[in-house]
Formats: sequence, structure tokens, C-alpha cells
Amino acid sequence: AQSVTQLGSHVSVSEGALVLLRCNYSSSVPPYLFWYVQYPNQGLQLLLKYTTGATLVKGINGFEAEFKKSETSFHLTKPSAHMSDAAEYFCAVSGPNTGNQFYFGTGTSLTVIP
Amino acid sequence: DTGVSQDPRHKITKRGQNVTFRCDPISEHNRLYWYRQTLGQGPEFLTYFQNEAQLEKSRLLSDRFSAERPKGSFSTLEIQRTEQGDSAMYLCASSPQAYGDEQFFGPGTRLTVL
Repeated sequence: AQSVTQLGSHVSVSEGALVLLRCNYSSSVPPYLFWYVQYPNQGLQLLLKYTTGATLVKGINGFEAEFKKSETSFHLTKPSAHMSDAAEYFCAVSGPNTGNQFYFGTGTSLTVIP
Repeated sequence: DTGVSQDPRHKITKRGQNVTFRCDPISEHNRLYWYRQTLGQGPEFLTYFQNEAQLEKSRLLSDRFSAERPKGSFSTLEIQRTEQGDSAMYLCASSPQAYGDEQFFGPGTRLTVL
């Protein structure tokens, strides 16, 4: 079975500070991992994904995430927060035995303080 | 525009009424997914189609819910005899055939059952 845990339903950072959003997963097989962002009243937009290869993946808007198999983690980071980063962030996992169905975490709401 | 579209964007209905939502996926995508998202939660999988075949349904999808994808193009999700607990955002997503591909999400249909 696949599942995703996002620690911290709300995270606040100052503008220009490091953003760190945590994601841990459980999977019986090597997973595919995704981070999506959702702005109010909009659908989900892909930030980045990990399938195979390099464990540090770079995404849009300066975000990156590192797949750590030993820690079953896929934390999302950004060196310097912008006001426009304020949104809801979702980590998701899928895999070959899930019919490509995505399992989402409960989300982390990011607030950026000016 | 080649993104995923959903119609309507908002639907308010009275308990006991039937509602139908439509999703138009990205044209070359074989797979189409429906998710439900309630406040403060991540999207939860409902069902998915590969072309016109409905391959998997979640236990969340009660007998009052039915989905179709005639001719493997657009899809409809119908809820019969709506209940207040059905109030949620219904998201549609599509993806290409390959495992590991991202899912492209539509803007969602927000259902309110009074």
C-alpha cells in the first residue's frame, strides 16, 4: 500500500527565507514522487517529479526536492521565499502497481510573511 | 488551449438532486482520472479510465456515483440523490500512457449540496 505523510499542515516563513516542506512516503516498491502546488480556486500544478535517476530534482519557480530512499523522504525546498509562493503544496506518490493512481498527502499551506 | 477543462466550475444543488460534471482531457492523453478533494485534505482517488475502459474504482465511489468516458474522449461524473457529504471539489486529471508520467489537473468543479 502507498501512503504519504506531510508533516506540518501550516508553515510560515519570512520573505527571503528558506522554504522546507516535508514529505515522507510508504511504498512497497520504488515509488514515483511528485510535488504539486495549488493556488486558491485553481487546479493542481506540477512543481517537480522523481521517477528514476538523479535523486535531486529541480522544478519550476526555484523549487527542488531530494529523494532519500533510506529516509523514505522527498522534502521540498526553495532557498529564498517569494510572496508569490504562498499556496497549498501537495506531495504525491504513485508506482507501477497502483495503476498510476496518485496518493496525495493532506497538504501544507505555506504563508510568506513580508 | 490544450489543458484539462471541467464544466461547470461551480454547482449548487439541493439534497436529493442529481448532478453531472464534465471533463475534457488533453486530447492525446489515454488516461483520465477523477478525484475528490474536501477542505483541508489532499485529493482522493475516485476512478480512472484508460481510453474508454473504466479500470479501477475506489471504495469511496458509492453506488450513487457513476462515471463514463464514451469513445475515450471526454468523461462525465454523475452523482445521484446528492447528500450534504458530497459537497467537495471534484478534480479531473489526465496523463499519457506511461507510468511515472505526471497527471495534468483541471480547475475542478466545486459542488455544494444544500
